[in-house]
Amino acid sequence: DAGVTQSPTHLIKTRGQHVTLRCSPISGHKSVSWYQQVLGQGPQFIFQYYEKEERGRGNFPDRFSARQFPNYSSELNVNALLLGDSALYLCASSLESHQPQHFGDGTRLSIL
Amino acid sequence: QKEVEQNSGPLSVPEGAIASLNCTYSDRGSQSFFWYRQYSGKSPELIMFIYSNGDKEDGRFTAQLNKASQYVSLLIRDSQPSDSATYLCAVNVDGNNRLAFGKGNQVVVIP
Repeated sequence: DAGVTQSPTHLIKTRGQHVTLRCSPISGHKSVSWYQQVLGQGPQFIFQYYEKEERGRGNFPDRFSARQFPNYSSELNVNALLLGDSALYLCASSLESHQPQHFGDGTRLSIL
Repeated sequence: QKEVEQNSGPLSVPEGAIASLNCTYSDRGSQSFFWYRQYSGKSPELIMFIYSNGDKEDGRFTAQLNKASQYVSLLIRDSQPSDSATYLCAVNVDGNNRLAFGKGNQVVVIP
């Protein structure tokens, strides 16, 4: 079975632009979470969605938004990009919210 | 106090030795605990999870949980060069609505 897939793998944007990152969970997984990881740190939680509803939101500004679709895939949107948004963005899926989360390969976002 | 703390610096172990990693957490309501391995430039890979007090073994890996003391540990037996990576401790918090990670511990296995 396919694992969590994320697209694109790499992205270069300039300050002020917006970006949309996409994630397809493992088949049958209903929960999708998004994380931001900067070099030398552990992943930081951004959002969790379960059955298309937001279940949790991390300490990120309103420039960050997300949604989950009926097929359980998800999008993360970031508006008005800042240099500090440069990071690895990880998507993870799980059967239920308390169960082990499996990560995709991530999208590496660079802001110039 | 950080939600999940991994305070040890880089750990160098000779090949074949035991690597021991520790992690403490602050949310007493946490019920699920995870260890992820992350190779440089790659995404985290789940290697162990534990829900109950005590030990859980899977191959060369053993996870240990002590909820009263709020710590989780990971033992890697017979360490191999391929075990060289950063190990991330993660804990489900806020009623399982999010996963909190430690900053990770780098392990270097010396042949």
